[in-house]
Parts: sequence; structure tokens; C-alpha cells
Amino acid sequence: SQKIEQNSEALNIQEGKTATLTCNYTNYSPAYLQWYRQDPGRGPVFLLLIRENEKEKRKERLKVTFDTTLKQSLFHITASQPADSATYLCALDNSGTASKLTFGTGTRLQVTL
Amino acid sequence: DVKVTQSSRYLVKRTGEKVFLECVQDMDHENMFWYRQDPGLGLRLIYFSYDVKMKEKGDIPEGYSVSREKKERFSLILESASTNQTSMYLCASMGLSGEQYFGPGTRLTVT
Repeated sequence: SQKIEQNSEALNIQEGKTATLTCNYTNYSPAYLQWYRQDPGRGPVFLLLIRENEKEKRKERLKVTFDTTLKQSLFHITASQPADSATYLCALDNSGTASKLTFGTGTRLQVTL
Repeated sequence: DVKVTQSSRYLVKRTGEKVFLECVQDMDHENMFWYRQDPGLGLRLIYFSYDVKMKEKGDIPEGYSVSREKKERFSLILESASTNQTSMYLCASMGLSGEQYFGPGTRLTVT
């Protein structure tokens, strides 16, 4: 069966360090993978999209990698700040239905001083 | 900036009531989506629409219907609300690259 796995345990990290979140998937052949940020009680906010033919994408302090052989994406936040504390969701398109996304359950990141 | 608005932030309804949740986007997007989000289960797709009057079932359509009479507006209808439909409901529209823009969510409680 199709599955998207994100670490359900919260990731606690010290301010200034690099946070790395993982998204693994099975039985998908996504054309692209996306990352979203969600704050409590709010809707997710789109951060980055990476296509299957791209290995890496950057935006300011954010970096995403996409390894279709390992079926894994890594999401990095460098020089993390307390304001980065949130839940981060990965999402990928269902095979053959590019307009639909399936979301992982998210990993909560807590950045402390 | 893309703006997606939802008609209510919080809603309390009784079992058996008909419930309407409305969503409006201002970017002329063709694709719109309704999800529900529950702890431990993540976001699950209820219905989506790729054009006016067009709709497709998502992963959990049972107990729900939708309406898309105008491009900017996508409504979710709970024909007869039940307690297991207590949840956070999120609407989204899709941009040109496949990214989704979400509304603030409606927290629905059915008592």
C-alpha cells in the first residue's frame, strides 16, 4: 500500500543549529514533492516544491533534497530560530493524478534558545 | 498574494443538521480542494474540483457533498452532521506549479 512517513516524534533543536526533517514514501512515483509549514490552529503554508528530476532546491535558509532511488526527501533549515518552531508536512502527488496531493502527518519542530 | 478565505473559523452544530462550509479564492485558480485534518491522521482529501460544476471524490467522500457554481467558490456540505465529522476542515486552491494555498480552516464541532 502507499505510505508517506514522517517522524511523528517532535524534533527539538537549539537555536542556530541546522534542523533536518525526513520524509520517506513507498509505492509512489511522484512527479514532485512539496513541503509545507503549519502553525497550531492554522492552515498549512507552502514552502518549497522539488521535481523528480531535481536533486536539490534552496530558498533562503531552507534546503530540500529529493532522492527518487531512496524514495526520500530531506528538509533542512539552517541557522534555525525559535520562529521556525512549527509542524512541517511533506506532500507528494499521487501517481498519474498530478493535481492531487497526499500529505504526511508532519513532524513538529521545536527550536529553543 | 493568494488569498483563500473560509466562511467560519469555529462552528458548532447539532447531530443531524445540514452544514455548509464555504471557501473563496481570489487567484482564478481552477483546482480547489477540501480536506479534513485530525490528530494522528493528517490531512485527508474529501473532494476536489478542477473546474466549475466539476468535482471528483477524494479519499473520504462519504457523508459529504460539494458544490462549485462559480470558479472562485467551493462549498462543502455535510448533509446530516454526525459526531464523527467533528474535525478541522481546510480548503485549498492550487497554483500553476501544483502548490496549494490553504485557507485558515474551520474547526467544526458536532454535538
